[in-house]
Amino acid sequence: GENVEQHPSTLSVQEGDSAVIKCTYSDSASNYFPWYKQELGKRPQLIIDIRSNVGEKKDQRIAVTLNKTAKHFSLHITETQPEDSAVYFCAAREGPARDDKIIFGKGTRLHILP
Amino acid sequence: GAVVSQHPSWVICKSGTSVKIECRSLDFQATTMFWYRQFPKKSLMLMATSNEGSKATYEQGVEKDKFLINHASLTLSTLTVTSAHPEDSSFYICSAPTSGREIYNEQFFGPGTRLTVL
Repeated sequence: GENVEQHPSTLSVQEGDSAVIKCTYSDSASNYFPWYKQELGKRPQLIIDIRSNVGEKKDQRIAVTLNKTAKHFSLHITETQPEDSAVYFCAAREGPARDDKIIFGKGTRLHILP
Repeated sequence: GAVVSQHPSWVICKSGTSVKIECRSLDFQATTMFWYRQFPKKSLMLMATSNEGSKATYEQGVEKDKFLINHASLTLSTLTVTSAHPEDSSFYICSAPTSGREIYNEQFFGPGTRLTVL
């Protein structure tokens, strides 16, 4: 089955700087890669996702890149703000169907320093 | 976006009792729902895939007799933690992919249920 590795586990960046979180996956059949933001005690919220037929996707300050050959995908947050502080999870869906399992990385705790 | 609810949001129970957690898709039908467990400051661990009208599919290491899953309708899946013990204390979250023609559908998460077993 799919295995998703995520790094770093903790990341502190100065407000206004950029943050990068990296993930790798093992199953070449995976074709959908969502990123979730989870605030303490709350449900995960989808912030951006990327499909395997796309190499990069951007939504305002957030961008995700995907390298299918290397099985790497990354989240980039630019001009970080205090409200970006949260835990971020990358994930990979094991198959093409919408009800295929989604496997999560271990998470990255992002701290935005004032 | 689609809405998934969970009930209860927080439950405290005595060791040895059973607890039922409900997961509902409020504005869409879900033939599949997922149950996750999350320990403090840890990732979401998939426990099982709940399938409407058929048996759930459990992940390796998850006791099916301990965590009973029933998906009786297209909008409701239940997780029953049987004979709960303190080590079962955790945050349980369900999710459901939305239906529709597009296959790359987002999964929507419920708000989670915090279980504390004394």
